[in-house]
Amino acid sequence: KQEVTQIPAALSVPEGENLVLNCSFTDSAIYNLQWFRQDPGKGLTSLLLIQSSQREQTSGRLNASLDKSSGRSTLYIAASQPGDSATYLCAVNSGGYNKLIFGAGTRLAVHP
Amino acid sequence: GAVVSQHPSRVICKSGTSVKIECRSLDFQATTMFWYRQFPKQSLMLMATSNEGSKATYEQGVEKDKFLINHASLTLSTLTVTSAHPEDSSFYICSARDRSKPYEQYFGPGTRLTVT
Repeated sequence: KQEVTQIPAALSVPEGENLVLNCSFTDSAIYNLQWFRQDPGKGLTSLLLIQSSQREQTSGRLNASLDKSSGRSTLYIAASQPGDSATYLCAVNSGGYNKLIFGAGTRLAVHP
Repeated sequence: GAVVSQHPSRVICKSGTSVKIECRSLDFQATTMFWYRQFPKQSLMLMATSNEGSKATYEQGVEKDKFLINHASLTLSTLTVTSAHPEDSSFYICSARDRSKPYEQYFGPGTRLTVT
């Protein structure tokens, strides 16, 4: 059974810092991995999707890497801003049919 | 593009009543929609997978008679919480898979259900 773990559970940093959020999964047989952002009381915004054949994806200040063999992914946020404050969720698609298994998330607070 | 809407965004109901939540894909056709629930400060848990024109597939531990799902068209799926109880209070989020982009899901904004 696939399990997804995210570390740390919460993170508070000053503006401008570079951040690394971690995601690990127990079954390396995945189709893809996706990082989402969730603001309080809101739905999910997709940030990056990495296919199983890819090693990383970049979008603006965000970079996500994937190491399938070790069951790990990292989300790197460069030059963090207060607007980056949100919960970041990692989700793995390992069962086909796009069935996503989510981690518990990392709650990020970036203070001015 | 790829917008998913949910209605209502918030609903308060009395214990014992039923509540219907709609999930619509606005600019694409969704053969598959997913329903999740999220308790405070917890992650999303998949409840069921809804396929257009067929019965939904429920995850283990989810009561299909309590959470009725209907996916009657390529742009609409509904979740009805029957005989709601306070423990059903939660944040319900749907997502939809674009039939032309099978590896991506697009999420709705969620519905906050409070049962008093």
